[in-house]
Amino acid sequence: KAGVTQTPRYLIKTRGQQVTLSCSPISGHRSVSWYQQTPGQGLQFLFEYFSETQRNKGNFPGRFSGRQFSNSRSEMNVSTLELGDSALYLCASGPGSTDTQYFGPGTRLTVL
Amino acid sequence: DQQVKQNSPSLSVQEGRISILNCDYTNSMFDYFLWYKKYPAEGPTFLISISSIKDKNEDGRFTVFLNKSAKHLSLHIVPSQPGDSAVYFCAASASSGGSNYKLTFGKGTLLTVNP
Repeated sequence: KAGVTQTPRYLIKTRGQQVTLSCSPISGHRSVSWYQQTPGQGLQFLFEYFSETQRNKGNFPGRFSGRQFSNSRSEMNVSTLELGDSALYLCASGPGSTDTQYFGPGTRLTVL
Repeated sequence: DQQVKQNSPSLSVQEGRISILNCDYTNSMFDYFLWYKKYPAEGPTFLISISSIKDKNEDGRFTVFLNKSAKHLSLHIVPSQPGDSAVYFCAASASSGGSNYKLTFGKGTLLTVNP
């Protein structure tokens, strides 16, 4: 089976812009979660989608949003980018509710 | 408030010896624990997990031990190999919204296995 894929792998944006990241889960997986990794805060949970519905949400401002499509692919959007949004954004997929999640390679976002 | 703590930022061991990575947690609601391995600029790779109803889980060279009363878990790697050199993350979850997928991660421990 193909693993979790994320596009693009690298992205450079300037402050104030918005960005959309994409994640394709492992075939058959219905849950997609997003995480942000920074040197200071480590890996932090953003949100989780299951069957096109947000099931869980972390403590991030409303500038961070996401959605999931009927084929389980997910997108994450960050509006009004700030310098502090520079991070590795990771997507993880899981088959249901309590099984293990598997991570994609991440999208490295740099905000200038 | 850091709910999952990995107090050792780094650990160095000799090839063939045992590596023991430790993790403490504070949230009593956590009922599922995982260990991931991560290389720079890559996503975490799942290693092993344990449910709170167990105190030990083994998979090849990897064993995870859970001590619920102490809110402590550890990952044992025996024997350690140079290819095991990476950052190891401990993660925990509590059932939320019908899912155990909201993971809380520790800050990681850099393991270096010397040949």
